[in-house]
Amino acid sequence: GAGVSQTPSNKVTEKGKYVELRCDPISGHTALYWYRQSLGQGPEFLIYFQGTGAADDSGLPNDRFFAVRPEGSVSTLKIQRTERGDSAVYLCASSLVPRGLSYNEQFFGPGTRLTVL
Amino acid sequence: SQQGEEDPQALSIQEGENATMNCSYKTSINNLQWYRQNSGRGLVHLILIRSNEREKHSGRLRVTLDTSKKSSSLLITASRAADTASYFCAIQSYNTDKLIFGTGTRLQVFP
Repeated sequence: GAGVSQTPSNKVTEKGKYVELRCDPISGHTALYWYRQSLGQGPEFLIYFQGTGAADDSGLPNDRFFAVRPEGSVSTLKIQRTERGDSAVYLCASSLVPRGLSYNEQFFGPGTRLTVL
Repeated sequence: SQQGEEDPQALSIQEGENATMNCSYKTSINNLQWYRQNSGRGLVHLILIRSNEREKHSGRLRVTLDTSKKSSSLLITASRAADTASYFCAIQSYNTDKLIFGTGTRLQVFP
């Protein structure tokens, strides 16, 4: 079956522009996660969804970042007024096991490399 | 920073040798997981160890967990050139599903 897919794979934009990054989770996975990975660092949590609602958005760095998952499947990460410091690989993951159970394996997509010039 | 710390940052070995990576963290955990990443993309889940477990094996992988020291180690035995990648530990706490990743170890295995 298909894994987690992310589009675009690469995005180059100019400072101040608006960008949208898309994530298609594995079919049937209820939880969806966004992480950001800067060069040479480990992934950093941004937000995760259980179904349509954001269960934890504590990792969003500021109000320029917003994510939605309106139908509980595809999710879009939106970044307004991009800054050079937003340049990173944005990773999406999904998992089948609902919150509350002791373990869930997260399956990661290939990421979107965002470059802000 | 919320990230755990891993050491060494980089490790170079010959094929057939064993590779050991260490991870330290700061909070109480539900479980600790290890991931592999090639070329800065595509994290792949390797193994999970629960907080009440001390050691776990999967193929050539051996993971230990010491919750009193808040540390874990990943051992790859009989390494192969194909094991060349970055390896990350990630902790998961009881009250959330998010993963907190370490800074990673870059492993280079020479044929």
